[in-house]
This record gives sequence, C-alpha cells and structure tokens, in this order.
Amino acid sequence: DQQVKQNSPSLSVQEGRISILNCDYTNSMFDYFLWYKKYPAEGPTFLISISSIKDKNEDGRFTVFLNKSAKHLSLHIVPSQPGDSAVYFCAASTGNTGKLIFGQGTTLQVKP
Amino acid sequence: DAMVIQNPRYQVTQFGKPVTLSCSQTLNHNVMYWYQQKSSQAPKLLFHYYDKDFNNEADTPDNFQSRRPNTSFCFLDIRSPGLGDAAMYLCATSRDGGSKHEQYFGPGTRLTVT
Repeated sequence: DQQVKQNSPSLSVQEGRISILNCDYTNSMFDYFLWYKKYPAEGPTFLISISSIKDKNEDGRFTVFLNKSAKHLSLHIVPSQPGDSAVYFCAASTGNTGKLIFGQGTTLQVKP
Repeated sequence: DAMVIQNPRYQVTQFGKPVTLSCSQTLNHNVMYWYQQKSSQAPKLLFHYYDKDFNNEADTPDNFQSRRPNTSFCFLDIRSPGLGDAAMYLCATSRDGGSKHEQYFGPGTRLTVT
C-alpha cells in the first residue's frame, strides 16, 4: 500500500511558465512534507518542506502548498528554468522517527 | 565540502555472492539511512542507525544487514543477492532523527546481479 503517490510520471513545460507537481498521501498522521530534486547520477537533494500546521511555504521560485483535507500537496516552480529539469520526489514523515516515505517521482522537463 | 560519499558507484555481483556497499559522511550526522530504489519506483527505507542504535524496517528481508563501526561509516551487506535485489542503493544522513531534519543523500550505488 503506497502511502505517498505522485500520479504523473512526467511533466513538460516551457521555460518561463509555471510548473506544478502534485503529490497525494493517505496517512493523516504525516506531520512534515518535503520535496527533493534529483539530477541524473546524483543523489536526491532537499528542495523545500512544509509542516502540517501550515498550508504554504515559499522559497524563491519554489512554493509548496498543503491541503490537509484533501491530503494533497503541490510544488509550484515559477518561472521554470531549463536547469529545473530533474526528477522531483515528494516525501512525508511522521513524529520523531525522521523516516521518509517517498513518492515514485515526477520527471520535469523544462524546454527552452 | 561536507558530503555523503558512496563507494563503489557501480557494483556487479553474481547471484548468491555476498556484496558490501559502503557509505561515508563528513557531516558528523547522528543518523544514517539506507534506501533501496528500483527502477521507476520510490526509494524505500531498509534500515537506519541513530548513533549506534540499529532500526530495521519490518519488511526488510533478512538477506540485508548493516554495520556502522563509527559515526562516519555505514555498510550495507547483502548476504546472498538475488536478481530481485538489483537496484540503486542510496545512503542518507541527517543531523537528528526528527521529522524536520532534512536528509542528505549520497549519489547512490547501482547494483547489478548477474
């Protein structure tokens, strides 16, 4: 049973436009959500996170939105740049374990 | 630069032949994690160490073992690799085990089983 799902395996957007990556979860006990970005031949790197007590967190071009009632979060990238092309993983954790449950990832391609 | 290093980057082993993957960190983090990622799937936590305390995930096969001789190093031992164990193995660290503490990942070791 997959607790964190990214239903879109891939997304293609034009440079300068908005990229929206989506993530759904099933466990209402998750209290922290993170987005990781992964380039080929590299490990995932932390991008942005949000606590369950918030509904929005912004860091430069990246904004994460959390809708707890829908058990849904999204990552917005505005404006999208070709260097943003990567695999994006959504992850969730609960309590003090620090254990991350990952989604399958969405491959973003930003076209010049 | 402080980092998480995994060696080797690519490992080929034979069916049933024990193999060890290594991970080292210069971040001086308390927690070290091992994940398995199969093609097009989510990374899946196998186990983690909080300092010297070992925490195994309930569904991690007995075939997978780990050692952490000191703060900096952690090893993943696969006692009898099967074809289904071919995957990317990711090591990660975090300063503490809480939810807020982001994890820092190494580049991974891609394991092929022939």
